[in-house]
Amino acid sequence: ELKVEQNPLFLSMQEGKNYTIYCNYSTTSDRLYWYRQDPGKSLESLFVLLSNGAVKQEGRLMASLDTKARLSTLHITAAVHDLSATYFCAVVSMVDDKIIFGKGTRLHILP
Amino acid sequence: NAGVMQNPRHLVRRRGQEARLRCSPMKGHSHVYWYRQLPEEGLKFMVYLQKENIIDESGMPKERFSAEFPKEGPSILRIQQVVRGDSAAYFCASSLRDYNEQFFGPGTRLTVL
Repeated sequence: ELKVEQNPLFLSMQEGKNYTIYCNYSTTSDRLYWYRQDPGKSLESLFVLLSNGAVKQEGRLMASLDTKARLSTLHITAAVHDLSATYFCAVVSMVDDKIIFGKGTRLHILP
Repeated sequence: NAGVMQNPRHLVRRRGQEARLRCSPMKGHSHVYWYRQLPEEGLKFMVYLQKENIIDESGMPKERFSAEFPKEGPSILRIQQVVRGDSAAYFCASSLRDYNEQFFGPGTRLTVL
């Protein structure tokens, strides 16, 4: 059974700092998605990672995928308050095509 | 707006009533997924449908919950005889191909009194 673990689950950081959110998964996958959710809102697609070594960047966010280590990272550079949200990774299993979401990382950026 | 549409956005029901949640996928998408999100938690997969077919319902509770995606019209998630524990946000997503990138609707927030 595919398990997806995100850590940390909660992160409070100051503006201007860098930090990384980790997404580990337990079975073979070649597709991983990162989403952002603001309180009371829906999920917004951030990144689609489809191959080992994939790296994508959008503004202050950069996501990478290491399929051998079964690990994806979401790196935040010089955080700003607007990035405060909950970030989810979602992994598609190559075994049964099921998609499983992590519990989410609540990011709170202090001005 | 060609995005995923859900209605109603908010739904209040008393215990024992029925709840019907509707989802219209993005234009051109024929794959629909339903998720449930409890407060402060991640999304739990419920069911995956294509037109007139349930592909995977492994996340659906065995009783009171059903889903359909008819040939014409929106996908419907139906909850019979609601209980307080059904209170949650229900999100629908659609994709162009199976288990491809999913685009989410705004969600229906169900409150059971």
